[in-house]
Amino acid sequence: GDSVTQMEGPVTLSEEAFLTINCTYTATGYPSLFWYVQYPGEGLQLLLKATKADDKGSNKGFEATYRKETTSFHLEKGSVQVSDSAVYFCALRLSEKLVFGKGTKLTVNP
Amino acid sequence: NAGVTQTPKFRILKIGQSMTLQCTQDMNHNYMYWYRQDPGMGLKLIYYSVGAGITDKGEVPNGYNVSRSTTEDFPLRLELAAPSQTSVYFCASSYSRAGSTDTQYFGPGTRLTVL
Repeated sequence: GDSVTQMEGPVTLSEEAFLTINCTYTATGYPSLFWYVQYPGEGLQLLLKATKADDKGSNKGFEATYRKETTSFHLEKGSVQVSDSAVYFCALRLSEKLVFGKGTKLTVNP
Repeated sequence: NAGVTQTPKFRILKIGQSMTLQCTQDMNHNYMYWYRQDPGMGLKLIYYSVGAGITDKGEVPNGYNVSRSTTEDFPLRLELAAPSQTSVYFCASSYSRAGSTDTQYFGPGTRLTVL
């Protein structure tokens, strides 16, 4: 079935470090891909999305490119801030349902 | 707009008790969803609804029931609570139509403990 695999966390970085969180997927069709972020004590919020191959989603300094050839959607940010500390979920969407990865917890220290 | 609201925020149940988790959205979304999030895991879909009067099972529906009598409300019912249902429950909604990719908006969650 359809699935999403994210890199295991937790990830701990210093402020201004470069961030990569890997995400790969398995799907029978051509899914849309998403990154959601969950701040402590809150629900999930959409961070960015891409709907077709080679699309790049971006928001708040985060970027991810839909790579069909490697079935990947890695999340990157050039310089993280303490306020980026959260859990990040990669997800795919086929039809009306989302399939989530397990999440990667990011902690950014000052 | 309040978005997606959920009540209660926290609840402790004894084994065998029942309860209803409430979810309301004010965005006139046709699709609504219930997920559970277990520690260290992603979200798993319990039930979803594509419109008033229409519901369908997700990945983990056992032990739960839902109804959708209005566009705004999508309550989740636990009839006989079990410790395996200890989790954080999220409600979400989206406006979906054929061929479009729609963002799901999430509520703040309900943390349920069954003892």
